[in-house]
Amino acid sequence: DTGVSQNPRHKITKRGQNVTFRCDPISEHNRLYWYRQTLGQGPEFLTYFQNEAQLEKSRLLSDRFSAERPKGSFSTLEIQRTEQGDSAMYLCASSLGRLAGIKRAETQYFGPGTRLLVL
Amino acid sequence: AQKVTQAQTEISVVEKEDVTLDCVYETRDTTYYLFWYKQPPSGELVFLIRRNSFDEQNEISGRYSWNFQKSTSSFNFTITASQVVDSAVYFCALSEAYYNQGGKLIFGQGTELSVKP
Repeated sequence: DTGVSQNPRHKITKRGQNVTFRCDPISEHNRLYWYRQTLGQGPEFLTYFQNEAQLEKSRLLSDRFSAERPKGSFSTLEIQRTEQGDSAMYLCASSLGRLAGIKRAETQYFGPGTRLLVL
Repeated sequence: AQKVTQAQTEISVVEKEDVTLDCVYETRDTTYYLFWYKQPPSGELVFLIRRNSFDEQNEISGRYSWNFQKSTSSFNFTITASQVVDSAVYFCALSEAYYNQGGKLIFGQGTELSVKP
């Protein structure tokens, strides 16, 4: 299977602990996105990478959140000093960006998500 | 600012009924893309369709069809002869278009479709 994969699928932690999630995009996809989805809501954008460069961060991404994509392949999302409000599904998506002389938006393909519960 | 509204929170139909999921969007951009995703109980978002703002042709794929109307800023999704396997949450999303860079998706709140046998 060459889809987007995320690990772990589930994470239960105590308030104040640090957690790290991993996302492996579809191979050859140069763009990688992180979203957060709370119960009953649509996903909300957190941050986006083009290769290894982090090009955009949402205001939702507080100082406790950090994301990396060191070699332009997999990405990690770390949450420090977790709070109960961080409980959510964290979704990763990837897309293939091509050089083009027109404005476009590629299709983003999503992974299965990591469900975080902070007690 | 960009916004997507899915006014129908939940819809319940009986198998074989047709059902339409509404999506209304707001954007100041002239070039943008619209998407529909399906999220079954397993949680993974499954891509269904992408449409750019210059292509107002309706699209049909099997039992699925999409009606894009720029005049009313709507991109509605119809399932014909619904089946139990169609039960899921469906999301409409909007993205700006850029030269050589990616863009975030703005999602609606989703419509939960329940198809009963």
